[in-house]
Amino acid sequence: QVHLQESGPGLVKPSETLSLTCAVSGGAVSSGDFYWIWIRQPPGKGLEYIGYIYHTGSTNYLPSFRSRVSISVDTSKNQFSLSLRSVSVADTAVYFCARVFVPGYNFYGMDVWGRGTTVTVSS
Amino acid sequence: EIVLTQSPDTLSLSPGERATLSCRASQSISINYLAWYQQKPGQAPRLLIAGASTRAAGIPDRFSGSGSGKEFTLTISRLEPEDFAVYYCQQYGGSPPFTFGPGTKVEIK
Repeated sequence: QVHLQESGPGLVKPSETLSLTCAVSGGAVSSGDFYWIWIRQPPGKGLEYIGYIYHTGSTNYLPSFRSRVSISVDTSKNQFSLSLRSVSVADTAVYFCARVFVPGYNFYGMDVWGRGTTVTVSS
Repeated sequence: EIVLTQSPDTLSLSPGERATLSCRASQSISINYLAWYQQKPGQAPRLLIAGASTRAAGIPDRFSGSGSGKEFTLTISRLEPEDFAVYYCQQYGGSPPFTFGPGTKVEIK
């Protein structure tokens, strides 16, 4: 069974960089059947797509994040990471990593999620 | 960008009743690219339905999805106590590739 586990600081100062890692167990990030994705949820609000990475290293980001976000993958550690620069209080949210099942470029949903990690941006 | 709208915002029902949740897209999307998720407080979302109507592994058959084009529906045939939660629809394939609806909260009446 595949598990995802987010880790990283729970508190980040404004203007600094938020860095999170998602450790994958029970499956390989190098599999071509999946995108590895970051989603966030501000307090009391809905789900917001941030970006994803494919095992080849190709990425896609939501345009509103594009200038300050990067997602990377480390196949040797079987994990992927999120870096969000120049954060503000508006970036306070629960950050989820998830797996998107896309065999043969079909779409079968975000089928495995981490439990989420709360990140607060505050001085 | 494909915008998803969900209705109603909140659905107040009793256990045993039928719940019908709507998801409307700003432009037509493939049925293969529409999914539904359930989220309970303090938890990650859980995949319920992919391909508009295919239940994910382990999802009870009281959950069903239907629709095509711009209109999609999630139906819970008989609400169980554990079904009271927020439900999100989500599309894949537009630009950006993933967008979520704002959610429908199913609460106990």
